[in-house]
Amino acid sequence: DADVTQTPRNRITKTGKRIMLECSQTKGHDRMYWYRQDPGLGLRLIYYSFDVKDINKGEISDGYSVSRQAQAKFSLSLESAIPNQTALYFCATSDPVGLGTGELFFGEGSRLTVL
Amino acid sequence: AQKVTQAQTEISVVEKEDVTLDCVYETRDTTYYLFWYKQPPSGELVFLIRRNSFDEQNEISGRYSWNFQKSTSSFNFTITASQVVDSAVYFCALSERVGGGADGLTFGKGTHLIIQP
Repeated sequence: DADVTQTPRNRITKTGKRIMLECSQTKGHDRMYWYRQDPGLGLRLIYYSFDVKDINKGEISDGYSVSRQAQAKFSLSLESAIPNQTALYFCATSDPVGLGTGELFFGEGSRLTVL
Repeated sequence: AQKVTQAQTEISVVEKEDVTLDCVYETRDTTYYLFWYKQPPSGELVFLIRRNSFDEQNEISGRYSWNFQKSTSSFNFTITASQVVDSAVYFCALSERVGGGADGLTFGKGTHLIIQP
């Protein structure tokens, strides 16, 4: 099983719908991240969390919210999806204690299409 | 603010040719880490290498090599004798040591490498 698991892997929805992308990890890392990938734009940070009580906005947080339910779980929500949120979303974790390098361990990605 | 530039949007070469992917970065920190990730057509992100700012030795791993030059703020990636399986999008990324890279990695926009048979 993957260390960082994202569900769903693929989702097609309609404009205005609420969508939740879930991420769980078995690496025991405190830090978790949500990134968005668009063609030609690379990966951009949406939100990140150091622990269940510490949530931080990234570069492109507008239109998104997150919930850190436990150390191992970090969910991304689109309250009212719009077509320009169509993208590939990645969850990631990092271990500041072990490596302290900022290296990210990624999930397999969730492809979201908003019609 | 930190920044990573991958000026080559797309590169196409014929199999067995050597190819170099460029990465230029900006940071005010003296301690930082540089990364390369590969994204094959299947979509997952595959870690290739991590390099810290104090280690300027070039690294070679099979057909892959990396050239880190602080003087030009570059961390270039070369594939020797390219193969079709090398076709992917390659991302260069940077984390600053301040805060232990807590706010994640800053990614370049990626270079789409196409290896033609």
